[in-house]
Amino acid sequence: DAGITQSPRHKVTETGTPVTLRCHQTENHRYMYWYRQDPGHGLRLIHYSYGVKDTDKGEVSDGYSVSRSKTEDFLLTLESATSSQTSVYFCAAGSGDQPQHFGDGTRLSIL
Amino acid sequence: SQQGEEDPQALSIQEGENATMNCSYKTSINNLQWYRQNSGRGLVHLILIRSNEREKHSGRLRVTLDTSKKSSSLLITASRAADTASYFCATGPTGGGNKLTFGTGTQLKVEL
Repeated sequence: DAGITQSPRHKVTETGTPVTLRCHQTENHRYMYWYRQDPGHGLRLIHYSYGVKDTDKGEVSDGYSVSRSKTEDFLLTLESATSSQTSVYFCAAGSGDQPQHFGDGTRLSIL
Repeated sequence: SQQGEEDPQALSIQEGENATMNCSYKTSINNLQWYRQNSGRGLVHLILIRSNEREKHSGRLRVTLDTSKKSSSLLITASRAADTASYFCATGPTGGGNKLTFGTGTQLKVEL
């Protein structure tokens, strides 16, 4: 989706290191989401935000934290990365119960 | 836990044929959405159907919803090679909340 940008697109890091993924939107959506996608599991919600500085946990939030200091930016942090957090991470944004718009993902490998 | 389960997990058809994918879910919903994901890309929204609707069309797409059976189907007519992708259903909760729960997806391959 042209309005959602994720960075970096690829990252390889080592177990125990901190990792921050960034999501930037240009459409002024109120809600933003972080998902992880793993084979056999589809997309699972990690955390979401319903406004600046307003966040809540999703289905698989353990080991992750988020922050949203501006409407357009939503950060996902792995405080101490583990191999089980190797995955493809997607950010999405939306308004109300309308469709969500997705970025193209970050492929994260933790060795 | 997954709310939606797609069936089949994989589907291979010839160009020009119709493709049907099914989604079953467990709890009451406000709406059900279908998304497409091309390899290496993010999900793209296709169609949204609300719980009080039974059928919806968009171009070559037809979606049905049966809330009594907690199931939905996505029909792609006259498929093209460009339709090759993974397709996911996602359910929105009652009360109109915005947290979607995604199924595990159907991989569709359309061969020339």
